[in-house]
Amino acid sequence: KNQVEQSPQSLIILEGKNCTLQCNYTVSPFSNLRWYKQDTGRGPVSLTIMTFSENTKSNGRYTATLDADTKQSSLHITASQLSDSASYICVVPSSGGYNKLIFGAGTRLAVHP
Amino acid sequence: GAGVSQSPRYKVAKRGQDVALRCDPISGHVSLFWYQQALGQGPEFLTYFQNEAQLDKSGLPSDRFFAERPEGSVSTLKIQRTQQEDSAVYLCASIGPADNNYGYTFGSGTRLTVV
Repeated sequence: KNQVEQSPQSLIILEGKNCTLQCNYTVSPFSNLRWYKQDTGRGPVSLTIMTFSENTKSNGRYTATLDADTKQSSLHITASQLSDSASYICVVPSSGGYNKLIFGAGTRLAVHP
Repeated sequence: GAGVSQSPRYKVAKRGQDVALRCDPISGHVSLFWYQQALGQGPEFLTYFQNEAQLDKSGLPSDRFFAERPEGSVSTLKIQRTQQEDSAVYLCASIGPADNNYGYTFGSGTRLTVV
């Protein structure tokens, strides 16, 4: 069973609309949670990183929330743009140290004009 | 260089052929990781180097996969006798000595297609 689960698997929205992506994780112990954006044919790029003591963190139009008690995170995208079309991946470091990352399968977002 | 560079960007191999994928990490970056990303999935850990030492190879799917980083900089991932299930994007990432836990930089990957 994957230790990082994401939903929805894919999402289509119209330009200018908002959306929220979900992530549940079971990795323990927990140190931090990251959201990455991966454009087609590119490597993942970090959007936000939150430690267990942070509840919310923003990066421009991206706002991530974290509930370490329920082991849930969300990524909210405001006023979507065509360039937001990408896969958004939730990532949690494994408990083994040295920054080995466990990735979710991602949510594929398509923003249409 | 300014980022992590991977080559080739695309590789088509006939089943049974050996392939070698190259990763040039950011200069001075100590930690280097290889990940495998199947179509529509998130990346999965393959192996980890700290300088030239391969500290974890637990993610390598079989003994056909081999990785090395002999001088602690450039790394090569070699796949022998490729099979169709090896088709994936192979991502390399590095972290610098001054970075905290968060300083992952990924390359753009090598897309391997085995036919």
